[in-house]
Amino acid sequence: QSALTQPRSVSGSPGQSVTISCTGTSSDVGYYNYVSWYQQRPGKAPQLMIYDVNKRPSGVPDRFSGSKSGNTASLTISGLQAEDEADYYCCSYADSSYVFGTGTKVTVL
Amino acid sequence: EVQLVESGGGLVQPGGSLRLSCVVSGFTFSIYDMHWVRQPPGKGLEWVSALTTAGDTHYPGSVKGRFTISRENGKNSLYLQMNSLRVEDTAVYYCVGEPIGNNWFDPWGQGTLVTVSS
Repeated sequence: QSALTQPRSVSGSPGQSVTISCTGTSSDVGYYNYVSWYQQRPGKAPQLMIYDVNKRPSGVPDRFSGSKSGNTASLTISGLQAEDEADYYCCSYADSSYVFGTGTKVTVL
Repeated sequence: EVQLVESGGGLVQPGGSLRLSCVVSGFTFSIYDMHWVRQPPGKGLEWVSALTTAGDTHYPGSVKGRFTISRENGKNSLYLQMNSLRVEDTAVYYCVGEPIGNNWFDPWGQGTLVTVSS
């Protein structure tokens, strides 16, 4: 199973919106509605931000949203804040296994 | 407070073995499917193994036949036996919970570093 493809980096100014894409195949992202997103700050463990494509766990700000179209899932951060600067990884279920994305560094300018 | 505490990491030579442990508290371990996820230094995340509450195990091709995941519900503990270790197995290994059948990962431990080098 190959890693899902994400852009290496995205950036935006405070208050702007950024979108991170996550491209897989018809065997993972395109087939299952089990895409999740994780935020990882330097030296810390990943934290769940979105599950089941577009659901937010309690405690995650509503400026984080998820969507999917075909084989590509997306994470949008609206109203970017300095604390959102981190690495972000998507993940998809794929027939008794899981595949992560390559990771995207979000920089707040 | 939810806690997952990994231990057992360290330096091992190629071809060697290591056993990781994870002790959990703050949630009902017996109703969580459990996983190991690893992250090589400076690189991305890779799912390594899964163990369901029903006892089913799953592995990616990169570790199948070399790694074995197990659990002891009475001790709230998860394990990963790693044999025939390779340099490319060098990574931080995270113990991760999955509410049964939900296909997402939460909570996560802080990780333990495994270094495979001669």
